[in-house]
Amino acid sequence: GAGVSQSPSNKVTEKGKDVELRCDPISGHTALYWYRQSLGQGLEFLIYFQGNSAPDKSGLPSDRFSAERTGGSVSTLTIQRTQQEDSAVYLCASSWTATGELFFGEGSRLTVL
Amino acid sequence: GNSVTQMEGPVTLSEEAFLTINCTYTATGYPSLFWYVQYPGEGLQLLLKATKADDKGSNKGFEATYRKETTSFHLEKGSVQVSDSAVYFCALRMTGGGNKLTFGTGTQLKVEL
Repeated sequence: GAGVSQSPSNKVTEKGKDVELRCDPISGHTALYWYRQSLGQGLEFLIYFQGNSAPDKSGLPSDRFSAERTGGSVSTLTIQRTQQEDSAVYLCASSWTATGELFFGEGSRLTVL
Repeated sequence: GNSVTQMEGPVTLSEEAFLTINCTYTATGYPSLFWYVQYPGEGLQLLLKATKADDKGSNKGFEATYRKETTSFHLEKGSVQVSDSAVYFCALRMTGGGNKLTFGTGTQLKVEL
């Protein structure tokens, strides 16, 4: 499809395990964002990639969270040693430019037992 | 820090009723303001935006006016339809912040026949 694609759509894991969430942005979009939506909370910014610039990691909640973007396209968000408070919907978005319209994927719902 | 406050939902209306979803913000400076909508089973999508005071954003019959004096960006629609049932998110973006949006918690709208 032509939209932002995220996988898996649902992930259930045990506390302490590592998880990887994948985002495939719209082809040609230079900017890619990860947000998190916890129950009862607004969307929380996590990390931002823009072209070849160093990513803005200012929203990552702890050093257990990391993300990379390979070849300026696909991105992977990795959460190490998951905790129950990591349970949330993780949303990826992309845009043509740094301030262009954001296009969101449907999200990956993570449940940590 | 910057923040967005939205009225809590769910908001339940009959078809053709008038809709208002309140949104107020706190920001150091003059942000751009946005309304995003998430229809069931879909990713968030931009509904409308306003980039400076007194601007009115409009789309699909929805309107919102950027009011600097009341730090508000209330969403309105004169006659809602069942197809407007969705979750609506108010958001702000500061100049120079790329697309690092600060979102409200979202307001669920249910429109009944």
